[in-house]
Amino acid sequence: KAGVTQTPRYLIKTRGQQVTLSCSPISGHRSVSWYQQTPGQGLQFLFEYFSETQRNKGNFPGRFSGRQFSNSRSEMNVSTLELGDSALYLCASSGQLDDEQYFGPGTRLTVT
Amino acid sequence: GENVEQHPSTLSVQEGDSAVIKCTYSDSASNYFPWYKQELGKGPQLIIDIRSNVGEKKDQRIAVTLNKTAKHFSLHITETQPEDSAVYFCAASIINNNDMRFGAGTRLTVKP
Repeated sequence: KAGVTQTPRYLIKTRGQQVTLSCSPISGHRSVSWYQQTPGQGLQFLFEYFSETQRNKGNFPGRFSGRQFSNSRSEMNVSTLELGDSALYLCASSGQLDDEQYFGPGTRLTVT
Repeated sequence: GENVEQHPSTLSVQEGDSAVIKCTYSDSASNYFPWYKQELGKGPQLIIDIRSNVGEKKDQRIAVTLNKTAKHFSLHITETQPEDSAVYFCAASIINNNDMRFGAGTRLTVKP
């Protein structure tokens, strides 16, 4: 069974731009969660989508948004990028045992 | 909200020795405690988890213990090998709520 895939793997953007990251969950998984990982703040929960609906949300500004499609693929968008948004963005999918989360390799975003 | 603390931040052991990483959590409602291993350039990999209805779980060289009263849980790795070298994260959440809170991580180095 294929794992969680994320595209692109690396991205360089300029302050003020916006970016869209994509995540394809493990086949059959309906929940996708997004996390931001930085050296200073560690792993922080952004939001979770289940059956195309946002089910949980962390403490991030409205510039961070997401959506989920009917095939469970998810995208997250960050608008008006700031230098502090530079991070590894990870998505994780959950299946039948809803509490077990499996992570993708992440998208490394650098904002210059 | 939930707050997870993890110690130590770095741990160096000799090959064959045991390694112990400890975490405490603050929210007594948390009932799911996974451990993740993250290697350089990769996403976190789920290595073992425990739910609050058990006090200990073992999988080959890896074991996790949970003390609900004291609100702490630990990862034990026996007979360590160089390939165990990685950053390990503990986490806590409520089952069916994928808002997972992570510890700051422990960088484990196993010296051959």
